[in-house]
Amino acid sequence: GENVEQHPSTLSVQEGDSAVIKCTYSDSASNYFPWYKQELGKRPQLIIDIRSNVGEKKDQRIAVTLNKTAKHFSLHITETQPEDSAVYFCAASREGYQKVTFGIGTKLQVIP
Amino acid sequence: ETGVTQTPRHLVMGMTNKKSLKCEQHLGHNAMYWYKQSAKKPLELMFVYNFKEQTENNSVPSRFSPECPNSSHLFLHLHTLQPEDSALYLCASSQDAGVAYEQYFGPGTRLTVT
Repeated sequence: GENVEQHPSTLSVQEGDSAVIKCTYSDSASNYFPWYKQELGKRPQLIIDIRSNVGEKKDQRIAVTLNKTAKHFSLHITETQPEDSAVYFCAASREGYQKVTFGIGTKLQVIP
Repeated sequence: ETGVTQTPRHLVMGMTNKKSLKCEQHLGHNAMYWYKQSAKKPLELMFVYNFKEQTENNSVPSRFSPECPNSSHLFLHLHTLQPEDSALYLCASSQDAGVAYEQYFGPGTRLTVT
């Protein structure tokens, strides 16, 4: 089955700096890679996703890159703000299959 | 209420109790999921229902029993649980489990087994 590894497990950055979270996956057939943000005491919510037919996707201050050959994908947050503090989960899944495999999560702290 | 709702939000139960968790989605989705979220572990998929049919059971112990009477409601029946089953149980829904779509999560039920 699919295995998703995520690092770092914790990340502290100064407000305004960039943050990068990296994930690797094992199943080369995986073709959908969402990122979820979970604020303290709240439910996970999708912030961005990427499919295997593209290498990069941006949405304002967040971007995701995908390297299918190396089987890794990354989340980039620029100009970080205190409200970006949360746990971020990467995930991988495959069209036609039921299962989504999540990474362990990265706790991001943005220091004002 | 919109989105995905879960009740109760908090539950404390003894190992010999029987209880049920309820999830309801108001999004018109056809797929519903149960996840277990424990500290320092990835989100663990437990069950998937697509169009009311169970399509995934991720080797979950039989003391957890899901029920999906229709596409909008999902239950997780609990009996003779162990302390290590204490966790946050999240329900989610998506348009169709066979297609890679965003999953919408409920607020979760914080379960403590004593």
